[in-house]
Amino acid sequence: KQEVTQIPAALSVPEGENLVLNCSFTDSAIYNLQWFRQDPGKGLTSLLLIQSSQREQTSGRLNASLDKSSGRSTLYIAASQPGDSATYLCAVGRKASYDKVIFGPGTSLSVIP
Amino acid sequence: GAGVSQTPSNKVTEKGKYVELRCDPISGHTALYWYRQSLGQGPEFLIYFQGTGAADDSGLPNDRFFAVRPEGSVSTLKIQRTERGDSAVYLCASSLWAGTGAGNEQFFGPGTRLTVL
Repeated sequence: KQEVTQIPAALSVPEGENLVLNCSFTDSAIYNLQWFRQDPGKGLTSLLLIQSSQREQTSGRLNASLDKSSGRSTLYIAASQPGDSATYLCAVGRKASYDKVIFGPGTSLSVIP
Repeated sequence: GAGVSQTPSNKVTEKGKYVELRCDPISGHTALYWYRQSLGQGPEFLIYFQGTGAADDSGLPNDRFFAVRPEGSVSTLKIQRTERGDSAVYLCASSLWAGTGAGNEQFFGPGTRLTVL
């Protein structure tokens, strides 16, 4: 059974700091991993999608890496801004069941001006 | 832009009532997913459609929950005899298709917040 965890559960940093969010999954048989952002009371915004054949993806100040063998992904945010404050969720597409995507519980990020 | 839309945005109902939640996916997306998100948790998979058929409904918590997608586009999640424990945000997502390769990225709607009194 695929389980997804995220560490830390909450993080507070001063503006301008670089930070790393962690996602771990127990079953390496995945077809993709997606990072989302969720603002309070809102839906999910896709940030980065890494296919199982890829090692990393970059978009602006965001960089996501994937290490299937160790069951880990990291989301790196450079030069954090108060507008980055949100909950960040990772989601894993399970190869054994293409339809089922398993989410982690999220990391709540607060960037202090 | 033509993203995923969900209606209503909020629904308040009384215990025991029937509710329907609607999802309009991105045009041309064949895969549609329903999730339920409780406060402080990540979304939990409920059901997935590929075209008109439910490819996997193993996430539906019990037989009070049912979903349809009769024409392969709009989907409706139906909850009978609602209970207070059904209160959550119900999220819908769509993708071009599911499985390996480009096109499997999921795009989410804003969700419907269901409150059962």
